[in-house]
Amino acid sequence: DTEVTQTPKHLVMGMTNKKSLKCEQHMGHRAMYWYKQKAKKPPELMFVYSYEKLSINESVPSRFSPECPNSSLLNLHLHALQPEDSALYLCASSQDGQGAGGYTFGSGTRLTVV
Amino acid sequence: AQKITQTQPGMFVQEKEAVTLDCTYDTSDPSYGLFWYKQPSSGEMIFLIYQGSYDQQNATEGRYSLNFQKARKSANLVISASQLGDSAMYFCAMSLNTGFQKLVFGTGTRLLVSP
Repeated sequence: DTEVTQTPKHLVMGMTNKKSLKCEQHMGHRAMYWYKQKAKKPPELMFVYSYEKLSINESVPSRFSPECPNSSLLNLHLHALQPEDSALYLCASSQDGQGAGGYTFGSGTRLTVV
Repeated sequence: AQKITQTQPGMFVQEKEAVTLDCTYDTSDPSYGLFWYKQPSSGEMIFLIYQGSYDQQNATEGRYSLNFQKARKSANLVISASQLGDSAMYFCAMSLNTGFQKLVFGTGTRLLVSP
């Protein structure tokens, strides 16, 4: 299995809702990442988990809350989002962040905040 | 800090022709990796090719080759024999080879292949 699976593929939520994005990989990768991509822009890193511990938080607002329950699973909990948070959220994993094996991305969750 | 620059917002190419997408980078770290990804309108990021900073030869993967010029800090992607399915956004990206580093992306180049 060489895939990163993200669910749901599309999500529409109100500003008062609480929702979660899910990311799963079964490649034995040690690091997992959340990226946010606004329309017509490159992906921007939000969080990095390595060995199930949060290692990088790119000053993301607290309305985004990551969680890594185990080495295969990464969640992003969303609460009280703003319309400007509407974006494509990409999950990625890597064995060690280096080399040609590099980073494997999921197909993303398109989030719309209304 | 790393920086990736892609100066071509859009490129046009005819089917079956070759096209070069430009990428320059900046880092003071001697050990790094350079990546190219393709992103169709569906949104998934598809890995195309990788070049390590210590690799002596330019990377090739099928119709994709990476023209790596270390002294000029450039890592251009060459797509040979373009196909209609190559129409997409292309991102150049970089990561440092020390621990679990983040992947930093350029602004991307939108490629349109015409019949």
